[in-house]
Amino acid sequence: AQSVTQLGSHVSVSEGALVLLRCNYSSSVPPYLFWYVQYPNQGLQLLLKYTSAATLVKGINGFEAEFKKSETSFHLTKPSAHMSDAAEYFCAVRGNTDKLIFGTGTRLQVFP
Amino acid sequence: NAGVTQTPKFRVLKTGQSMTLLCAQDMNHEYMYWYRQDPGMGLRLIHYSVGEGTTAKGEVPDGYNVSRLKKQNFLLGLESAAPSQTSVYFCASSPYVVNTEAFFGQGTRLTVV
Repeated sequence: AQSVTQLGSHVSVSEGALVLLRCNYSSSVPPYLFWYVQYPNQGLQLLLKYTSAATLVKGINGFEAEFKKSETSFHLTKPSAHMSDAAEYFCAVRGNTDKLIFGTGTRLQVFP
Repeated sequence: NAGVTQTPKFRVLKTGQSMTLLCAQDMNHEYMYWYRQDPGMGLRLIHYSVGEGTTAKGEVPDGYNVSRLKKQNFLLGLESAAPSQTSVYFCASSPYVVNTEAFFGQGTRLTVV
């Protein structure tokens, strides 16, 4: 069975600082990995996805993530945080089943 | 293009009442999912479907039933609501390709009193 672990339920950064949101996965087969963002009172929208084509994946709004098989990680980064990045971020995995499994989420706060 | 539409958006139920949440998608997707979102617990998969006429249990199926009589619709039922089912419910759909993302509705906020 596949699973994801997101370390840190809350992350706070200053505007302009590096954003790093952590995601580790467990899967018995090569996984497909996704990062979603949720703004208050809204549904989830896709930031980026890893589908084995390239280990460094670029997404919307300046975010990117690197797939590291040896570390079973898929951390999300952004070089310079903006106030509009404040939201909740979810990592998700789909392995050898039809299920799409989510982590517990990380709430990002950005301070001026 | 509507995408994934959930009905209703808000509902308050009394303990023991029943209700059905409707999810409709217009993207001809094979897969559909129901999740519940609770603070600190992320999104947990309740039930899902890989095609018309099929359903399967997710991580937290107890107390819920589902049906997929038409490809575009996925219904989530609560036969006897309990306060523990107070949550935000999200429906999602995806094509029958494992490396594609799921598309989400806007959610239904359900309160059971």
